Amino acid sequence: AQSVTQPDIHITVSEGASLELRCNYSYGATPYLFWYVQSPGQGLQLLLKYFSGDTLVQGIKGFEAEFKRSQSSFNLRKPSVHWSDAAEYFCAVVLSGNTPLVFGKGTRLSVIA
Amino acid sequence: EAGVTQSPTHLIKTRGQQATLRCSPISGHTSVYWYQQALGLGLQFLLWYDEGEERNRGNFPPRFSGRQFPNYSSELNVNALELEDSALYLCASSRGWGVSYEQYFGPGTRLTVT
Repeated sequence: AQSVTQPDIHITVSEGASLELRCNYSYGATPYLFWYVQSPGQGLQLLLKYFSGDTLVQGIKGFEAEFKRSQSSFNLRKPSVHWSDAAEYFCAVVLSGNTPLVFGKGTRLSVIA
Repeated sequence: EAGVTQSPTHLIKTRGQQATLRCSPISGHTSVYWYQQALGLGLQFLLWYDEGEERNRGNFPPRFSGRQFPNYSSELNVNALELEDSALYLCASSRGWGVSYEQYFGPGTRLTVT
């Protein structure tokens, strides 16, 4: 079945440490890939997206993600986490222009001092 | 530029009642999307309107319906409310439809059904 999986429900990292959030998809073809962030009480904000080309994409707030076709993965990374990065992160995919976004169930990031 | 706005912020209804949620897209955006974010279920696509027409619908019962007005604002109606309809309902808008058009999300309406 087609799906988007975020294996980690909750991750805690220390401020200044590196971060990697995992996302795997299961589709017949390579979908378009997105990462969104949702801060408490806020809507979702797009961090970055991958359509084609360079498999390492840069986003806002110092985030980057790498697309690995062989692993059907699109993991989100940040070299040094700030306390303000504490939020819920969602991976999402779209198969084509007239199909809706399909979201993973999210990973909640906590940042400790 | 004002972002996507949603009203009300919170809505409390009893089982069996009807709820109406409203969304105003960013100026110039013609597509409006509705998502349900229920605890433990993540974000699920509900409805998509573009230029006043329903373009796509998620796997939800017919008691979830909506419309888009000529000014591109939209409302979501939920009839015969059930306890499991309690969720955060997010609206998003985009300048057009297609993957190249980023969806901008509103802060959501928290619906509680008692």
